[in-house]
Amino acid sequence: EVQLVETGGDLVQPGGSLRLSCEASGFSFSNYWMHWVRQAPGKELVWVARIQSDESSIEYADSVRGRFIISRDNAKKTLHLQMNSLRDEDTAVYYCARGFSGVGANWFDPWGQGTQVTVSS
Amino acid sequence: IQMTQSPSSLSASVGDRVTITCRASQTISTNLNWYQQKPGKAPKVLIYAASMLQSGVPSRFRGSGSGTDFTLTITNLQPEDFATYFCHQTYRTPYIFGQGTKLEI
Repeated sequence: EVQLVETGGDLVQPGGSLRLSCEASGFSFSNYWMHWVRQAPGKELVWVARIQSDESSIEYADSVRGRFIISRDNAKKTLHLQMNSLRDEDTAVYYCARGFSGVGANWFDPWGQGTQVTVSS
Repeated sequence: IQMTQSPSSLSASVGDRVTITCRASQTISTNLNWYQQKPGKAPKVLIYAASMLQSGVPSRFRGSGSGTDFTLTITNLQPEDFATYFCHQTYRTPYIFGQGTKLEI
């Protein structure tokens, strides 16, 4: 079964740091782009970052560039998101998702169950 | 690229047909996906590449459109279709999602 499981979410003070992890199973992790997406309570989904299968390409949303770092360990089939200088507005459920491509398009499937990050003093 | 999804909420009855629309601020070809999200759960892809039905998704879900205008149509609504639906462009980063449509049965 193809599965993604996120861990690492917590309550952290503004200005603090947190590292999220996403463990993959059931597929060849090293062959796929991976993404982080977040969702604040009652809000829409927001794409955060993506990383190519061999880490040769990395991109971030403007709102997190310079503060967050996406990385991966293909040997351990794990995706990471290092979150620094956290702000109240970073509070959200964070999902990892596999990037799937074909027929000239790409989409996210599957998604993990999400991990809650709360930034508050 | 901005995505404008409408309506933001929708009430319907079992057996009805409903349509959700998504408009991109510039052409995105067919790089448009639709996801369903139930409360407390992760999103699940229904339609990819504007009109391709994801494996395992019932055929009552149909996507159409290209360029800037897209629709998700659900026919013969079932109770399990109560959820929020998001469109999602993957033509260019940042990969923007629509604001969501909450479908109430």
